[in-house]
Amino acid sequence: SQQGEEDPQALSIQEGENATMNCSYKTSINNLQWYRQNSGRGLVHLILIRSNEREKHSGRLRVTLDTSKKSSSLLITASRAADTASYFCLCSAGNNRKLIWGLGTSLAVNP
Amino acid sequence: DGGITQSPKYLFRKEGQNVTLSCEQNLNHDAMYWYRQDPGQGLRLIYYSQIVNDFQKGDIAEGYSVSREKKESFPLTVTSAQKNPTAFYLCASSIGGQVATEAFFGQGTRLTVV
Repeated sequence: SQQGEEDPQALSIQEGENATMNCSYKTSINNLQWYRQNSGRGLVHLILIRSNEREKHSGRLRVTLDTSKKSSSLLITASRAADTASYFCLCSAGNNRKLIWGLGTSLAVNP
Repeated sequence: DGGITQSPKYLFRKEGQNVTLSCEQNLNHDAMYWYRQDPGQGLRLIYYSQIVNDFQKGDIAEGYSVSREKKESFPLTVTSAQKNPTAFYLCASSIGGQVATEAFFGQGTRLTVV
């Protein structure tokens, strides 16, 4: 199946720094979602951005969407050690709601 | 509390045995999904169901079977035909409809073949 692509695959930063991760996709989408997964746990929904939106905020999270470049970025500001997790993007495409997952970015925030 | 529950959390299976993973939701969601996740990998779709009594194969359905007899339940059976079943299995649900909405995930079942 078609997979979204995320970069970087792994990111290590110091507490207080900002973390940016990117998701690129190949097809037109209805919306794009970002999820977080703590090690060995289920995924938790963070934010959904529709194809007609360009930017969305939720607390320390900022998501942008550039449909011309078929890419999205997730910015976590003022990171905390508790932000350490894997982050996945999910694209919803087409009338049959084909769901395309990215392979994830593993974020480590060092205290 | 509304949510989605998977059980058991850990499951061990002998080679050649079938095993069933439970997934229950009380969110009144129409759509339910089963994913497989291997170490350091993303999610791969096994089966999904948009409505009761209907389900569709995902990308890696071989060796798996499901049923959707009730709206709140979507059990996954890992059969002996699945050649490499050791993995982390995640169940999810969403409202359903034409455009994807927020999905809610269970905490996962880690299956190990011994």
